[in-house]
Amino acid sequence: NAGVMQNPRHLVRRRGQEARLRCSPVKGHSHVYWYRQLPEEGLKFMVYLQKENIIDESGMPKERFSAEFPKEGPSILRIQQVVRGDSAAYFCASSPPIGGQNNEQFFGPGTRLTVL
Amino acid sequence: QKEVEQNSGPLSVPEGAIASLNCTYSDRGSQSFFWYRQYSGKSPELIMFIYSNGDKEDGRFTAQLNKASQYVSLLIRDSQPSDSATYLCAVNGRGNNRLAFGKGNQVVVIP
Repeated sequence: NAGVMQNPRHLVRRRGQEARLRCSPVKGHSHVYWYRQLPEEGLKFMVYLQKENIIDESGMPKERFSAEFPKEGPSILRIQQVVRGDSAAYFCASSPPIGGQNNEQFFGPGTRLTVL
Repeated sequence: QKEVEQNSGPLSVPEGAIASLNCTYSDRGSQSFFWYRQYSGKSPELIMFIYSNGDKEDGRFTAQLNKASQYVSLLIRDSQPSDSATYLCAVNGRGNNRLAFGKGNQVVVIP
């Protein structure tokens, strides 16, 4: 009964490189969310996806960041031309198909991105 | 005004005592409320959710919701050293699925 899986757990990139973060949701969950946690700050919503659709990207920076959740395979958060300010923990969460009032989201272990 | 506020500083409680954490939110239409526990360097772990006014108990944890006051709290009874962590309040707003988080409250249980 695997939970949310993320890889890599740690990623080091130099300024200007690309970072790709992967997330496989809990089996049976069709909703994926990405959050970012900067040092000494709270979790901030970035994007909400369902299979092949971006539902809400209101928290995504307008440039350099993109996300996808293809029909097959994991969800990918892609950061192009990384800068030092992108250093953070990136968490993926998943939830089952939405019903009623609840929207319980279960978090993966996170990817800790360090930009040198 | 921040969407979700957790204002208290670190909370130190002796082992066996009750830890009380508070959270306020700004969107009166918010529908679901969550408490997550996060150990240092780890990911958030869902420990409670509540969506109706009143109390909800689960083991040593009790969540309390007062929508009129836009206030949600978490009580931890019989606190254990393993409860030492940061507790995050999260709110699901009206008409969307994203969670808005407070900055968290650190709890330290002293043996």
